[in-house]
Amino acid sequence: DIQMTQSPSSLSASVGDRVTITCRASQSISIYLNWYQQKPGKAPKLLIYAASSLQSGVPSRFSGSGSGTDFTLTISSLQPEDFATYYCQQSYSNPFTFGPGTKVDIK
Amino acid sequence: QVQLVESGGGVVQPGGSLRLSCAASGFTFSSYGMHWVRQAPGKGLEWVAFIRYDGDTKYYADSVKGRFTISRDNSKNTLYLQLNSLRVEDTAVFYCAKSTDCSGGSCYSCDYWGQGTLVTVSS
Repeated sequence: DIQMTQSPSSLSASVGDRVTITCRASQSISIYLNWYQQKPGKAPKLLIYAASSLQSGVPSRFSGSGSGTDFTLTISSLQPEDFATYYCQQSYSNPFTFGPGTKVDIK
Repeated sequence: QVQLVESGGGVVQPGGSLRLSCAASGFTFSSYGMHWVRQAPGKGLEWVAFIRYDGDTKYYADSVKGRFTISRDNSKNTLYLQLNSLRVEDTAVFYCAKSTDCSGGSCYSCDYWGQGTLVTVSS
């Protein structure tokens, strides 16, 4: 099974900051990497699929990059509604494992 | 608009069974694969199972293999998850999610999610 790790596990940031979250796969997954945002008590929301493709309706301040084993999610200018937990997930092979999550909170 | 509504959660004793349902609307259900994903209280997301659009292919996480069964009824636009031999560690919110097809360059992403149904396993 492919293991996913994320760093950092949490971070504190201010509105307007540029934020970068890293996800690493235990083996190459090509570009089959997704990013989700989850707010407390809510279902996750797909932000990025295929490593860098922005899901319809997602603000352009979110971007993704990477291939192989190393990926990043970048929020170019953090907004109040972006404080949440972010998960990566590989969709390269079954089981479609998630990373442990990165919690972004207010500094 | 795509809507997914889960039901069937509740409190069950260890060793017991439940069947979860997910009613889908707003898209051609019979054309898309579907996932179940769970989240234990205060924990991260855990992918549980996938079923292909026609029901012919099913995948499971090792943690549920042999105990959980995913199925679908395309005539009723409904996804199911049968949970047997439940354990305390199965306590979680269970989400159903629509899978992307491969036309956008990424198969198996979860592009729409339901609100979840809580399963509590306790004696």
